[in-house]
Parts: sequence; structure tokens; C-alpha cells
Amino acid sequence: DAKTTQPNSMESNEEEPVHLPCNHSTISGTDYIHWYRQLPSQGPEYVIHGLTSNVNNRMASLAIAEDRKSSTLILHRATLRDAAVYYCILNSGYALNFGKGTSLLVTP
Amino acid sequence: EPEVTQTPSHQVTQMGQEVILRCVPISNHLYFYWYRQILGQKVEFLVSFYNNEISEKSEIFDDQFSVERPDGSNFTLKIRSTKLEDSAMYFCASSYYHEQYFGPGTRLTVT
Repeated sequence: DAKTTQPNSMESNEEEPVHLPCNHSTISGTDYIHWYRQLPSQGPEYVIHGLTSNVNNRMASLAIAEDRKSSTLILHRATLRDAAVYYCILNSGYALNFGKGTSLLVTP
Repeated sequence: EPEVTQTPSHQVTQMGQEVILRCVPISNHLYFYWYRQILGQKVEFLVSFYNNEISEKSEIFDDQFSVERPDGSNFTLKIRSTKLEDSAMYFCASSYYHEQYFGPGTRLTVT
């Protein structure tokens, strides 16, 4: 599976936008870019996914570089509830291969 | 909003015993999965299940593990002879297409 690279941790102020980067330089043409998050003591939670075009949903936006070698998850207004580990995952089959993700700290 | 449920929330068992972890996926979903997370480590894929058969499995999913969809609603993971290293959170997930929805997990403690 193609690998992703994410910063270990990031910090944001509450009500500020957050941009979580992900590099995936070895992405293949069939790989979808998925983002999941895991709040403390909970199961992973689907956030958003995309293939080539930018995507928006009620939780977040996903900006995908034109060459698809990187992407950015955008939380438009961080809340304390958004403090979690965010995982960027490339997927072209069934399995989601979770890495270590980015631990997002949100401060009031 | 529909959600994946798992029972029990916590299971304690002795080494060598069989355990069955249960999951009720979201009703119209077609794909079913098990993952595990050892304390402090990353989430690991175990197996996926589609159309009443295993579609993909990881190296972790050896002969000690099996999955079953015994009826139209439940999806189970059986560990035949538990080992200490099987202690982990086990997450069930289901999907209709790309997005996987996870349950709250079963904490398995093997003593």
C-alpha cells in the first residue's frame, strides 16, 4: 500500500480554521484519499474522502493537489470536540491501513 | 442516525479460552470489517467480509480467528484459543461503499 506522511501533532485555537497536511507521493491512480479521526477512547470516525477533486461535507473540506501527491484536511472552525488523532489513508481496496496520524490539540 | 453496535463492551477471558465478539452493522451496508487496536498502538486491519465470504485478511488474521454472519443482522469475530497478546480493543465496521462506519469497540482482556 502507498504510504502517507503526516505531522505527529498540531495545535489550534478554538474557532480558528485548521489545515491538516498529508503527503502521499507514491499514490496510485486507483487510490482514494480518506480521512478518519479517532477521539479519545472511541472508535475511528469517517471524516471525508476524495479521488481527484476537492470535496466538502458537513464535517470538513478536503483539498487535493493537482498531482495528487498531497492533500489537506480543512476544519473550518475548530471546536474542543475536534481534538483527536486524524488519519490520512490511501485506499483502493477493502482494508484501511491506519498510520500514526496527526494528534490535534485544540485550545480554548 | 444509524450506527454500528458491539457487544460486549468489555470481555475478560482466560488464556486458551474461546471468545466471540458480536457486532450489529448498519442495516443496508454490504461490507463488514474487523480491526483491532492494542493499547497505545495504531489501529490494525484484521479482515473484511462481503457476500458471505472473506474478501481480504491481514497476516494477523490466522487460523485462530474466524468471522461469521450467522443471520441478517449480526457479524461475529471468534478467537478460538486466546493468547495474552490478543488483549486489545476490537472494532467492527461496516460500509455500503467507501465510507466505513465504526462501532464503539469491545475491550478484550486476556489473563
